[in-house]
Amino acid sequence: SQKIEQNSEALNIQEGKTATLTCNYTNYSPAYLQWYRQDPGRGPVFLLLIRENEKEKRKERLKVTFDTTLKQSLFHITASQPADSATYLCAPGGGSTLGRLYFGRGTQLTVWP
Amino acid sequence: EAQVTQNPRYLITVTGKKLTVTCSQNMNHEYMSWYRQDPGLGLRQIYYSMNVEVTDKGDVPEGYKVSRKEKRNFPLILESPSPNQTSLYFCASSLRGTANEKLFFGSGTQLSVL
Repeated sequence: SQKIEQNSEALNIQEGKTATLTCNYTNYSPAYLQWYRQDPGRGPVFLLLIRENEKEKRKERLKVTFDTTLKQSLFHITASQPADSATYLCAPGGGSTLGRLYFGRGTQLTVWP
Repeated sequence: EAQVTQNPRYLITVTGKKLTVTCSQNMNHEYMSWYRQDPGLGLRQIYYSMNVEVTDKGDVPEGYKVSRKEKRNFPLILESPSPNQTSLYFCASSLRGTANEKLFFGSGTQLSVL
């Protein structure tokens, strides 16, 4: 069955630094990968989607890479701010999993001043 | 405002008492889905619907029912709730499915079954 692993449950960094979150998946070949942000007690909010034929995607201070050989996606937040503190979820999808979207357990990011 | 609306936000009930959690979206989305979120387990899909009258099981469907009689509504029914169904529930929707489509989530329903 599909397995998704996100690096360390918690990541603490200083304001202004770059946060790098990792998402590894096994046992399937997603056609795309999505990243979501979730604040405590709230629903996840979509951030970025990257397709298998795209190596990198950017949106403002966010950058996502997708390496289908390594079965890995990296999510970067540059010039991090305390307001970026949240849990970030990755969700590889597509291919044979139509109708299904599997989520990793998330990485809780804390940015301290 | 485009949104997915879940009700109620909080619900405390007792074992065996049937309940329904409602979900409605105003974006004319074809796809809707229910997830539950538990500490250490992340989001797990319960049921999903690709369109009206089309529903299918996710990873953890036992103890739940759904129906999709109208495009905008996708209620989650617990006919005989048990304590292991205590969880945070999210409804989500997208335009046509999960292939290259982002999901819009509701604000969640915190359910406690005593």
